[in-house]
Amino acid sequence: EIVLTQSPGTLSLSTGERATLSCRASQSVSSRYLAWYQQKPGQAPRLLIYGVSSRAIGIPDRFSGSGSGTDFTLTISRLEPEDFAVYYCQQYSTSPLTFGGGTKVEIK
Amino acid sequence: QVQHVQSGAEVQKPGASVKVSCKASGYTFTNYGFTWVRQAPGQGLEWMGWISAHNGDTNYAQKFQGRVNMTTDTSSSTAYMELGNLRSDDTAVYYCARSPRRTAIGTFDSWGQGTLVTVSS
Repeated sequence: EIVLTQSPGTLSLSTGERATLSCRASQSVSSRYLAWYQQKPGQAPRLLIYGVSSRAIGIPDRFSGSGSGTDFTLTISRLEPEDFAVYYCQQYSTSPLTFGGGTKVEIK
Repeated sequence: QVQHVQSGAEVQKPGASVKVSCKASGYTFTNYGFTWVRQAPGQGLEWMGWISAHNGDTNYAQKFQGRVNMTTDTSSSTAYMELGNLRSDDTAVYYCARSPRRTAIGTFDSWGQGTLVTVSS
């Protein structure tokens, strides 16, 4: 099973700042099968990024993904008020599919 | 529009079973599969397994093998997840999510609203 470790656990930032979230895999994630989701309190997760760097439909371009192998990054270029949430990475390279523990982006 | 509406909250006793439904609309049901993901209170996301609405193939997480049964009803465009022999640590919100048709390997582009299952004596 591929274990995904996200850091930091919590990121305290202000609106307009840049957010950089990390996701590290216990083994290489093949075929770039790495995704990111956003979850707000009381809501289901929402797909943001798939294939490491492709934005899902309707996702603004301030969200970007990068990385390869075992190290991946989600960047939010300028935080908007609606971006404060928990973010999860997910690998779909091998079964069982696994998620990281999440990074909470909170208002400073 | 694409939508998934799940059944309501449940309270079950330890050892009992629960069956959660997920009704899809806005697209051709049999062109996709369904993944079930759960989230314990204040915790992260856990993949439980996948079912193809096309041919009924399944892929369950080893942790749930023998306790989980995923099915679909194409006549009503509904996916179901039944979890048996419930324990207190099964208390969680259970989500359905649209997935690829042919394989469990994929992302989840549309989710249900979640169903809270509480296991308590």
